[in-house]
Amino acid sequence: NAGVTQTPKFRVLKTGQSMTLLCAQDMNHEYMYWYRQDPGMGLRLIHYSVGEGTTAKGEVPDGYNVSRLKKQNFLLGLESAAPSQTSVYFCASLGGRGKQPQHFGDGTRLSIL
Amino acid sequence: GESVGLHLPTLSVQEGDNSIINCAYSNSASDYFIWYKQESGKGPQFIIDIRSNMDKRQGQRVTVLLNKTVKHLSLQIAATQPGDSAVYFCAEKAADSWGKFQFGAGTQVVVTP
Repeated sequence: NAGVTQTPKFRVLKTGQSMTLLCAQDMNHEYMYWYRQDPGMGLRLIHYSVGEGTTAKGEVPDGYNVSRLKKQNFLLGLESAAPSQTSVYFCASLGGRGKQPQHFGDGTRLSIL
Repeated sequence: GESVGLHLPTLSVQEGDNSIINCAYSNSASDYFIWYKQESGKGPQFIIDIRSNMDKRQGQRVTVLLNKTVKHLSLQIAATQPGDSAVYFCAEKAADSWGKFQFGAGTQVVVTP
């Protein structure tokens, strides 16, 4: 059981380049999330989705876009990368509204030069 | 806004001793709490959770204590092992939240022989 899979694991970009991070989950979860993790800080929510075809902004959405065309996939896009977006990005999924923990992927380490 | 947790301190523990990791939360409306373990280069892994109608919950070598009066959560690890070395952080969910969590920055636990 793979759980939550993120690709790529590492990436280096130049300022202004664009890229898409892919998250895939095989647990049939409704909710999916994108977070960023920066040193000394807790996970911060970028965007989330409560179901296929829906997305919403989180705490720090600027500079990012997302899409959830299929229930199992949640894509995070950077249209024009900036050095401030250097971070570790985590995807998570959740089965429903009840009191249960999120399942996380192993992250994408992104550096913007 | 309200937030969970600590700045990232380090807890050094001798192998075989018990560890206690603390977390302060400020949202009195939170009704569900989770402890995660994050090893270097990996995503957060669920350890144990607790609902607000409980004061204590035990798992395998771990115990979570919830003190709603002072808004404090703790994780106790019995007989700490080298494999317990990681960052541990807490997360909370507000009662009126469909699935949004607030995360603490975490505590680095280092197990010494």
